[in-house]
Amino acid sequence: DVVMTQSPLSLPVTLGQPASISCRSSQSLVSSDGNTYLNWFQQRPGQSPRRLIYKVSNWDSGVPDRFSGSGSGTDFTLKISRVEAEDVGVYYCMQGTHWPHTFGQGTKLEIK
Amino acid sequence: EVQLVESGGGLVQPGGSLRLSCAASGFTVSNNWMSWVRQAPGKGLEWMATLKPDGSEGYYVDSVKGRFTISRDNAKNSLYLQMNSLRVEDTAVYFCVRSGGAVWGQGALVTVSS
Repeated sequence: DVVMTQSPLSLPVTLGQPASISCRSSQSLVSSDGNTYLNWFQQRPGQSPRRLIYKVSNWDSGVPDRFSGSGSGTDFTLKISRVEAEDVGVYYCMQGTHWPHTFGQGTKLEIK
Repeated sequence: EVQLVESGGGLVQPGGSLRLSCAASGFTVSNNWMSWVRQAPGKGLEWMATLKPDGSEGYYVDSVKGRFTISRDNAKNSLYLQMNSLRVEDTAVYFCVRSGGAVWGQGALVTVSS
């Protein structure tokens, strides 16, 4: 199975400051169709997860543009340009290229 | 409005069975890749199973192969997860998910305990 490794696992951030989460995969996530199926999810406390970014860098509808995704191959990053209070929660990367699909361990973002 | 609503969760003894249902609205289940993802209490997300749009094949994580079956009813626009031989470690909230995580249900809690 493809192992997804996120860092850091805990991310205290001051309001208005940037934040960055790394996600590394144990195998390349480039699919045979040329796409890279790497998604980012946000799970606020007590809520279902919500997809923020799909295929590395594409925003889902309604996602603020302060969120951005980048990367290629095995190395990916989610960045928040200016953290707001509503961004508190756990962030997960997930690969959908290989079966079984796998998630990272999650990164807990909190306000300092 | 695009929505997924799970039902069928509850308390079951080890070795027992349970069937989760997921009713979809605002889109057609049979046109989409549909999955189940679970989250054990206080833990992270774990992908469980996916059904292809043509319904011909299901993909499963090794820990549930042979015990869980993903299926759908096109007439009811619903997805199902039949869970047999349940274990204590299957205790989790089970989410119904559309197309690589684009839409999630609210989740159904399954507790396996004697």
